[in-house]
Amino acid sequence: QQQVKQSPQSLIVQKGGISIINCAYENTAFDYFPWYQQFPGKGPALLIAIRPDVSEKKEGRFTISFNKSAKQFSLHIMDSQPGDSATYFCAASKRVRDDKIIFGKGTRLHILP
Amino acid sequence: DAGVTQSPTHLIKTRGQQVTLRCSPKSGHDTVSWYQQALGQGPQFIFQYYEEEERQRGNFPDRFSGHQFPNYSSELNVNALLLGDSALYLCASRSGTGRPGANVLTFGAGSRLTVL
Repeated sequence: QQQVKQSPQSLIVQKGGISIINCAYENTAFDYFPWYQQFPGKGPALLIAIRPDVSEKKEGRFTISFNKSAKQFSLHIMDSQPGDSATYFCAASKRVRDDKIIFGKGTRLHILP
Repeated sequence: DAGVTQSPTHLIKTRGQQVTLRCSPKSGHDTVSWYQQALGQGPQFIFQYYEEEERQRGNFPDRFSGHQFPNYSSELNVNALLLGDSALYLCASRSGTGRPGANVLTFGAGSRLTVL
């Protein structure tokens, strides 16, 4: 049973465009929803995170939109740059400082120069 | 400031063998967790160590075991290796509750295990 479903599996966006990655979760006990960015040969790195008591969080070009009733959340990357090309994982956990994090399968993003 | 360091970077084993992977957490961190990342998949939580004890465990068999040392470093041991154990094994660390960085889980670059 996949607790966090992520789509699309891969995404190609023109430089300057908007990249959108969607995720859905099943377990209503989840209370923390981070996004991780992973470059080839590196471990995942925390990009941005949200808790379900807010509907949107923005940090620079990265925005999380959260729909608690639909149990869905998404990552928007504005003005996408070639340096954003990486694999992105949505994730969920029951607490902010919980290491038992459930990851989605990932989205491989490629930004065309 | 060195982040999370893992060794070895790559290794090849045969079915039935045993493997030990090592992790040094980021300076100031005292909690270590291990994840398995199969090719093309997201990381899966194996277990977490704090104060030299296993605190949480994911859905992995007893063939997977670990240890945390007084200096907070950690080892992951896998016995009776199967072909399906081939994956990138990631170590992650964080600082204790109330300390700076407690909310951020920092990952190492991983150890790539190939089982033939």
